[in-house]
Amino acid sequence: SAVISQKPSRDICQRGTSLTIQCQVDSQVTMMFWYRQQPGQSLTLIATANQGSEATYESGFVIDKFPISRPNLTFSTLTVSNMSPEDSSIYLCSVESVGAGVRYEQYFGPGTRLTVT
Amino acid sequence: ELKVEQNPLFLSMQEGKNYTIYCNYSTTSDRLYWYRQDPGKSLESLFVLLSNGAVKQEGRLMASLDTKARLSTLHITAAVHDLSATYFCAVETSGSRLTFGEGTQLTVNP
Repeated sequence: SAVISQKPSRDICQRGTSLTIQCQVDSQVTMMFWYRQQPGQSLTLIATANQGSEATYESGFVIDKFPISRPNLTFSTLTVSNMSPEDSSIYLCSVESVGAGVRYEQYFGPGTRLTVT
Repeated sequence: ELKVEQNPLFLSMQEGKNYTIYCNYSTTSDRLYWYRQDPGKSLESLFVLLSNGAVKQEGRLMASLDTKARLSTLHITAAVHDLSATYFCAVETSGSRLTFGEGTQLTVNP
């Protein structure tokens, strides 16, 4: 399975500021995703990070609030913009690979715990 | 819109007992995952179920999938304290996108 790292692991930010979260994978992967887990809740997909093109956002999430980059097959960033306390969550990236007609499992990174004050 | 429902949401059981967690979903899917999450941690993949009738077992956990009924189960056999965690099912739809159930918070008491 792929080894996924995220930076930062946690942060405390002031409202109105922005934070960029990095997701790095130790091998090339086909798909990368960003999820949010609000306190005590389940996970919700924010967007699919597409390599070399704009991310595909789920209903309720917009590019201005959550800009995403994916410059290559091993790296992606998620920015949480103009933060408010409601953005306090754990943000997780996940990856899935497809190759030679085989689809591999989807794995999750360790997460970034964000607190907005 | 795909809905994924787990029950129970909270489960307190004694060591040595058996129990089943249910995951119902509202549309057809290629894959269904079961994940475990310990407090403050990320998700650990337990099982991925690919086809109707699939059954997978690992230790005291066994997962099954009935695509016709749109139902997956996670069965716990002779529970031990180390199994205390939150368990999520997740249904995969087009583009490998996952929709998660609400999670089942399992507490195994001595």
